[in-house]
Amino acid sequence: QQQVKQSPQSLIVQKGGISIINCAYENTAFDYFPWYQQFPGKGPALLIAIRPDVSEKKEGRFTISFNKSAKQFSLHIMDSQPGDSATYFCAASAPGGYQKVTFGTGTKLQVIP
Amino acid sequence: GAVVSQHPSWVICKSGTSVKIECRSLDFQATTMFWYRQFPKQSLMLMATSNEGSKATYEQGVEKDKFLINHASLTLSTLTVTSAHPEDSSFYICSARPLGLETQYFGPGTRLLVL
Repeated sequence: QQQVKQSPQSLIVQKGGISIINCAYENTAFDYFPWYQQFPGKGPALLIAIRPDVSEKKEGRFTISFNKSAKQFSLHIMDSQPGDSATYFCAASAPGGYQKVTFGTGTKLQVIP
Repeated sequence: GAVVSQHPSWVICKSGTSVKIECRSLDFQATTMFWYRQFPKQSLMLMATSNEGSKATYEQGVEKDKFLINHASLTLSTLTVTSAHPEDSSFYICSARPLGLETQYFGPGTRLLVL
């Protein structure tokens, strides 16, 4: 019940295109859903986060769409650029305790010119 | 803001020795810090949760006597890999959660190679 399933495992997108990464969860106690971007040899960096009371959140070229009833959320990267090439992790945490984060399996995005 | 540092960034050691990795929150206080391990092309695996002034909470399957965690202050947590073996070679990443917030901010990671 703690799993967060992420797809696809890898993604190749043309420069200027839209990159879409999907995640699904089972634990209805999750109430915070961050996305992290990780470049090779670096730690993950927070990209954008959403709560279940909001269906969409946009920050620049990055948008999270959230479907509470389906227990799914997705990251859309508009106008994808070669500099966006990285591994993206969705994540989720529940309130209380230490608020440990459960990570998805990651999506390696490659944006080609 | 919300910068987390790790030291060292790279460490090579001989089998049987101990290695200490530091994690510092530079511009915020964190009662809770987390230690992760990441293998190539895999996701982050939580090893333990570190709380200032108390014992760390280890995830199932993580040897607490092998991976010693100390959270001495609101800005510093250390991970000591004791009697390191080649199978301990990995990328170790810490994160810190600011007081009252849910977001975790990650350090740049420490690559450990045990020969």
